Amino acid sequence: AQRVTQPEKLLSVFKGAPVELKCNYSYSGSPELFWYVQYSRQRLQLLLRHISRESIKGFTADLNKGETSFHLKKPFAQEEDSAMYYCALVQGAQKLVFGQGTRLTINP
Amino acid sequence: DTGVSQDPRHKITKRGQNVTFRCDPISEHNRLYWYRQTLGQGPEFLTYFQNEAQLEKSRLLSDRFSAERPKGSFSTLEIQRTEQGDSAMYLCASSFGTVSYEQYFGPGTRLTVT
Repeated sequence: AQRVTQPEKLLSVFKGAPVELKCNYSYSGSPELFWYVQYSRQRLQLLLRHISRESIKGFTADLNKGETSFHLKKPFAQEEDSAMYYCALVQGAQKLVFGQGTRLTINP
Repeated sequence: DTGVSQDPRHKITKRGQNVTFRCDPISEHNRLYWYRQTLGQGPEFLTYFQNEAQLEKSRLLSDRFSAERPKGSFSTLEIQRTEQGDSAMYLCASSFGTVSYEQYFGPGTRLTVT
């Protein structure tokens, strides 16, 4: 079964420090992976997708098929990065399968 | 068009009552999805529509749940004989085209069953 695992429910780092949110997946075939973010009192929104290889708000994520990982990284955390982050994959080019989420807190 | 909207935003109901939620997708989007999110979990897929056709339903969607999208625009999700385990955030999302790489989410309806 397709599954997304985010091993850290909570992650706290200081402003200016590097951030890495971990995501591992199980999927038979070539996965399409995404990171969604939910800021306080806002709706869930797409942050980035691996297929576009973009950098959004300084975040990047590289798909590592050997390790079945799609970790989200940012070299220098900012306070406005505090949010809930969800890793997800598309199953059957239709529905999203989400991980449990990681709550990132950036301390001043 | 300000994005996907959902109504109501909050619903408190007694066990055994029926509830209905509405989702209005972004107007040109032909795909509409329902997800459920419980505390501490990521959203879980319930069902999706392409235009008015309901193409997939999750095993999570018991026979007490029914969803419709009668004219391919807004959708309703009805829960009959609610149970306390139905308490959750119900999220609606929409996307355009047959490759649903970007789904736009609504604010959700928070259901509390007492």
